Amino acid sequence: DTEVTQTPKHLVMGMTNKKSLKCEQHMGHRAMYWYKQKAKKPPELMFVYSYEKLSINESVPSRFSPECPNSSLLNLHLHALQPEDSALYLCASSPRTGGNSPLHFGNGTRLTVT
Amino acid sequence: QQPVQSPQAVILREGEDAVINCSSSKALYSVHWYRQKHGEAPVFLMILLKGGEQKGHEKISASFNEKKQQSSLYLTASQLSYSGTYFCGTDPPFTQGGSEKLVFGKGTKLTVNP
Repeated sequence: DTEVTQTPKHLVMGMTNKKSLKCEQHMGHRAMYWYKQKAKKPPELMFVYSYEKLSINESVPSRFSPECPNSSLLNLHLHALQPEDSALYLCASSPRTGGNSPLHFGNGTRLTVT
Repeated sequence: QQPVQSPQAVILREGEDAVINCSSSKALYSVHWYRQKHGEAPVFLMILLKGGEQKGHEKISASFNEKKQQSSLYLTASQLSYSGTYFCGTDPPFTQGGSEKLVFGKGTKLTVNP
């Protein structure tokens, strides 16, 4: 069982909808990440939070809005998405940022935009 | 800069060995290895830091040659459970702690048959 919990597991939304993805970890990790993964592709970094502050935004369109309410929670707010945004959205956490810190992934939210 | 993995796919019989390579055109601080089974989250296998130390995980080990900017993952006496897609993630140097931006290779699909 993964120690990073993501909800919902599946989400279907229209292009005019507003929805949110949620991620939670209780390992005391201080870095949290959002990745996007298309079928048969590697995960692509979207956002990094370090100590609850946004430290990296990989030029992600503003229709994706991350939020880190506290050290255990990470949200991704979605608004006016496009069909090409359909993908598996993975949350990950690590003890800290930096190359010697392993990523712990959640099972992801499979998003379909209609 | 995305690392290059080879081969793209490997098919083995149970008990056979395999090597997966990961190379970068840029200097590296660390190399991460993850395995992702179909429909599941990527799972951390190991990290190799600058210094060439070889790490092991069950019958899976890896090496990191920083001069050649490449890492190799060795799967010995493969088991059915080893099937999945293996991703390397590379991390450019940033002070001494690596960066926050892990970039994944395209993956190597490993199939172990009985």
